[in-house]
Amino acid sequence: DGGITQSPKYLFRKEGQNVTLSCEQNLNHDAMYWYRQDPGQGLRLIYYSQIVNDFQKGDIAEGYSVSREKKESFPLTVTSAQKNPTAFYLCASSSGGDTQYFGPGTRLTVL
Amino acid sequence: SQKIEQNSEALNIQEGKTATLTCNYTNYSPAYLQWYRQDPGRGPVFLLLIRENEKEKRKERLKVTFDTTLKQSLFHITASQPADSATYLCALDMVQAGTALIFGKGTTLSVSS
Repeated sequence: DGGITQSPKYLFRKEGQNVTLSCEQNLNHDAMYWYRQDPGQGLRLIYYSQIVNDFQKGDIAEGYSVSREKKESFPLTVTSAQKNPTAFYLCASSSGGDTQYFGPGTRLTVL
Repeated sequence: SQKIEQNSEALNIQEGKTATLTCNYTNYSPAYLQWYRQDPGRGPVFLLLIRENEKEKRKERLKVTFDTTLKQSLFHITASQPADSATYLCALDMVQAGTALIFGKGTTLSVSS
């Protein structure tokens, strides 16, 4: 089965803790993306990577970090510097930069 | 900076009617525009892509138009069904501007039987 997976589906974090969200794809796509979605805000781009070992900041990168050591994987770390991390996080991948294929999302809640 | 607007947050129509959703943008000339469907608690799913040199594109009951002069795309669902109820997002290609797609906030469509 080809696709993009995210884990966990729900994640709870205490204030001051870092947490890492997983994103894996077996579509052989070069590009991968992380978005944050808040109610009424639409999707906002956090980071994206067009090739292994390279990534660029999106519109709201502050308080987040990523790595792209393998083509299949693009984990996102939400650091304690992110002031309001409670949100729905979506990972996507694409080949050639057009149509994006999204994972099922991770809902992060800060307690 | 680029701005993308979808005409309304919510649209309510009756089953069998045609739903028309609007996406307007400013300050950029994208090479293409896309429409996605998102159900609650799930990731968006790609529906249609239309390029700048295409006026109209169809897929089953879906039709998308792209007017680069007006900087507007219209998304139509004909013979709408309750199963079409979802949030629909438009997205602009920003690759030439050195970044990725940007998404509108979405329009939530409710189709009542």
